[in-house]
Amino acid sequence: EVVLTQSPGTLSLSAGERATLSCRASQTVRGRFLAWYQRKPGQAPRLLIYGTSSRATGIPDRFSGSGSGTDFSLTISRLEPEDSAVYYCQQYGSSPETFGQGTKVEIK
Amino acid sequence: QVQLQESGPRLVKPSETLSLTCGVSGSSITGNYWSWIRQSPGKGLVWIGYIYYSGNTKYNPSLKSRVSISVDNDKMQSSLRLTSVTAADTAVYYCASGTSTSGSYVYFDLWGQGTLVTVSS
Repeated sequence: EVVLTQSPGTLSLSAGERATLSCRASQTVRGRFLAWYQRKPGQAPRLLIYGTSSRATGIPDRFSGSGSGTDFSLTISRLEPEDSAVYYCQQYGSSPETFGQGTKVEIK
Repeated sequence: QVQLQESGPRLVKPSETLSLTCGVSGSSITGNYWSWIRQSPGKGLVWIGYIYYSGNTKYNPSLKSRVSISVDNDKMQSSLRLTSVTAADTAVYYCASGTSTSGSYVYFDLWGQGTLVTVSS
């Protein structure tokens, strides 16, 4: 199975700053089929990005995804207080579908 | 606004069967794959499996021998059964709506809030 490793484990930044989250795969993610999710305490996880760079419905354009092969990233261009959450990547290019362990974003 | 909600016993005894149901409120799901995902304390998210609206299923090999997922399209519900549970099956269980653009592999466009199920005597 494809193992996804996310870094850093925790990112602590100020509002207005740019956040870059990394997701590295143990092998090439077929078709760039990679998604990103946001999970806040007590809430259902929310789909942000699918297909590496396509934003899900209603997702602000400050969230963007990029990457190919084994290296992918999620960028939040200007952090807002409500972006405090844990972010997960997931590959769906091969079975079984797998997730990264998550990056926690803290707003100072 | 479409929402998914998991329901079922929060406490299950070792060696027994864990059973959960996922219902939809607000409208119908957009994805065609009723999916289940779990996260054990201190560990990552693990895809358990899914059922396509037609009834075809796919399960994570690590759980395949113990899991079954069913769907009732009329009631817009999915059910998860996991047999012979142990403490290692203690986790938050999520249901999710899955969408595929890559053959039979899915991403999850709508999730429930999750329900913590504890396996303990």
